[in-house]
Amino acid sequence: NAGVTQTPKFRVLKTGQSMTLLCAQDMNHEYMYWYRQDPGMGLRLIHYSVGEGTTAKGEVPDGYNVSRLKKQNFLLGLESAAPSQTSVYFCASSSGQPQHFGDGTRLSIL
Amino acid sequence: QKEVEQDPGPLSVPEGAIVSLNCTYSNSAFQYFMWYRQYSRKGPELLMYTYSSGNKEDGRFTAQVDKSSKYISLFIRDSQPSDSATYLCAMSAGNQFYFGTGTSLTVIP
Repeated sequence: NAGVTQTPKFRVLKTGQSMTLLCAQDMNHEYMYWYRQDPGMGLRLIHYSVGEGTTAKGEVPDGYNVSRLKKQNFLLGLESAAPSQTSVYFCASSSGQPQHFGDGTRLSIL
Repeated sequence: QKEVEQDPGPLSVPEGAIVSLNCTYSNSAFQYFMWYRQYSRKGPELLMYTYSSGNKEDGRFTAQVDKSSKYISLFIRDSQPSDSATYLCAMSAGNQFYFGTGTSLTVIP
């Protein structure tokens, strides 16, 4: 009963490097979301998907790209990492209501 | 004005106390209301989920929604040290979700 699984759990990058965060869900949910969580700012939506092959921008999309090639997977990419992207990234999925979250990826950009 | 306002605390109570956590919101279109519990270095865990106005009880937890006042509450009875966590309120209209910034709760044995 995995639910929402995020990989990796921790990562340290240098400025300018690229990487991809993977989110996988086994609940057959249509909707998937990527958030970042920063102290005092709560959860902010980066991008989301309402189904396989679809993506849409959230509140803070700049510097990120996403892809949803398979229904169960939602990938978040950083093309050229910046220190401002140091954060904890959470993936969530839902079949409408409510959302279910993974345990996050802690990303540090030096 | 933020969509959802939540007092960040921190809140510190003795074991066995009744805890009241609250959020206000501005969007009257919200229909679904949720409370999540987040332990340190973990993801938000769904605690309570209600639709529209009213009360919902689950063990020591009670969620209340007052749509006329745009106000939701979570009550924790007989609080335990294991309840120490950050509590996030969330609400939604359609497939968009809006979160409070979280209230940090510590229950002292």
